[in-house]
Parts: sequence; structure tokens; C-alpha cells
Amino acid sequence: EPEVTQTPSHQVTQMGQEVILRCVPISNHLYFYWYRQILGQKVEFLVSFYNNEISEKSEIFDDQFSVERPDGSNFTLKIRSTKLEDSAMYFCASRMRGANVLTFGAGSRLTVL
Amino acid sequence: AQRVTQPEKLLSVFKGAPVELKCNYSYSGSPELFWYVQYSRQRLQLLLRHISRESIKGFTADLNKGETSFHLKKPFAQEEDSAMYYCALSGQETSGSRLTFGEGTQLTVNP
Repeated sequence: EPEVTQTPSHQVTQMGQEVILRCVPISNHLYFYWYRQILGQKVEFLVSFYNNEISEKSEIFDDQFSVERPDGSNFTLKIRSTKLEDSAMYFCASRMRGANVLTFGAGSRLTVL
Repeated sequence: AQRVTQPEKLLSVFKGAPVELKCNYSYSGSPELFWYVQYSRQRLQLLLRHISRESIKGFTADLNKGETSFHLKKPFAQEEDSAMYYCALSGQETSGSRLTFGEGTQLTVNP
């Protein structure tokens, strides 16, 4: 069964550093998402992406965050200057056109020291 | 605004007992409701959605618009049902299928 692949599975970084989290969505999916889950809290929507542009973003997704689809397969989330409160599990998800069901990746755990 | 509430963070039952995981939502339009499950060390995966009206792994959930609820039920819980369960809502008026999740309920089924 096709999967959404995320790398790295765990990244530790110093506060103020830039971080890029990578995702390879399922190949015939056209809609891409990032969610995050701070330890002990709910899964929160960050951003959705379609046709090479952001279609929706939450209030969490401020100027520190950016997304990109640099080639035909990768979908990346960049945090420009990490803060302690960015420590969380970040989930990538994708879906097909016409289907309202998201397929999630296993997540990337980000620890900011 | 859309909101999903799961009042129980932890739920513990014995094998063979009925289980009900509660979910209430708030949304002014026509919502689509989902249950996602996360087994230990695995990824979030779809368990069921209200428009399918099907039973998956013995679980069912009925959308009650009057009570704005979408409770997940199983008549006889099994040990392998132990997992984290998330109720989620997608508003049809929201572009991009943005999902709003509840806080999650950790279900433990004891032998």
C-alpha cells in the first residue's frame, strides 16, 4: 500500500537554527498538508498546499514557516529560526482530488534546545 | 469556527466489554466527521468516516446532528483495539479539506 514518507524521523536543533522537514506524498495525490502535535496536545492544522501554492493556513503558520514543492516528489516545511515552542511532532499528509480522506506520514519529531 | 471535543483523555475497559468513545463538534455548516486511530508507534490512519456508514474492525459511529455528536462504539472490545483515537471534522465550506482534530482518547483494553 502506498505511503507518505517523512524525513527525518527525529531532529534535534538549537534555538534560532533553520530546519527543513521533508515529505514525499503519495505519487498521484495532488493536495498536501502539514499538521503538528505538541506533546500532550491535539493535532493542529498548519497549512494546505495545492497547485504549487498555499490554499489555506492557520494562525500558527506565521512568517517563520514556509512550504515548498521543489520538485515533482518532495514537499517541504521550513522553519526559519526555530523557537523552543516549535518542539513538536510534525505530520505530513496528502490526498487525491475528489477524495476527502487524508493519508498521513509517520511524522518527524522536532526537538528545539 | 469549527471545534471538536473529546471529553475523555483516557478510557479503560476489559476485553469483551462494550466501549464508547465520545465526540462532540461545533460547526455552523455541514460537517464531515471522521475517526482516526493511532496504534502504538504507528502513523495516524483513518478508521471510519460518517458518510461511509460502514463498520470497520467492529467499530461504528453515527452522526447525530441534533446532539452534534459522532460517538465511536464497539460492542465487544478487543485487546488489539488499544490505541489513541482522534475524532476529526472537515467543513465542506472550507477549502482544502482542513481537518480539525479533537484532543484524542487513549483507549486501553485490559485482558
